[in-house]
Amino acid sequence: EIVLTQSPATLSLSPGERATLSCRASQSVGSYLVWYQQKPGQAPRLLIYDASARATGIPARFSGSGSGTDFTLTISSLEPEDFAVYYCQQRNDWPLTFGGGTKVEI
Amino acid sequence: QVQLQESGPGLVKPSETLSLTCTVSGASINGYYWTWIRQSPDKGVEWIGYIYYSGATNYSPSLKSRVTISIDTSKNHFSLNLSSVTAADTAVYYCAGGVNRSGPWRDWGQGTLVTVSS
Repeated sequence: EIVLTQSPATLSLSPGERATLSCRASQSVGSYLVWYQQKPGQAPRLLIYDASARATGIPARFSGSGSGTDFTLTISSLEPEDFAVYYCQQRNDWPLTFGGGTKVEI
Repeated sequence: QVQLQESGPGLVKPSETLSLTCTVSGASINGYYWTWIRQSPDKGVEWIGYIYYSGATNYSPSLKSRVTISIDTSKNHFSLNLSSVTAADTAVYYCAGGVNRSGPWRDWGQGTLVTVSS
């Protein structure tokens, strides 16, 4: 199965700063990489699909890039509500797999 | 707006079967793929499997021998059965839906914690 490795595990930043999160796949997933945001006690929320397409209603400060095995989620200027855990998921091959998550903390 | 709601026992004894139902409201269950995902501190986020409204299924190889996902289109709900559970199956279980069998999933249930313990 495809293993997704997210780094760093924790990112300590302040509001207004830029966040750069990485997701690396153990083999190519093409562009079939998804990003979710999760807050405590809530289900994951879809942010980005197919590497760079923003989901409906997601602010423009969230952007995704990459292809093959290396992907990046960028939050251009952190808002207070952006402090959460972010997961990547590959949908190129079975079984579908998720990364271990990056916690963005204040 | 599509809403999903998981229901079922929050406590299951070891070796027994975990059974959950996801009720879909705000949309017909027809024409979509319906997925179960679980999350635990030990295993992280784990895809369990999906069912199409036609009844076609696909399961994670690591759980395939113990998992059954079924659907009842007349009741607009789908279900998860996981047999022979152990403490390792303790997790928050989510249902999700979408137009693609592999995601992405925009619509999720709130999640339900299932604890396996005697």
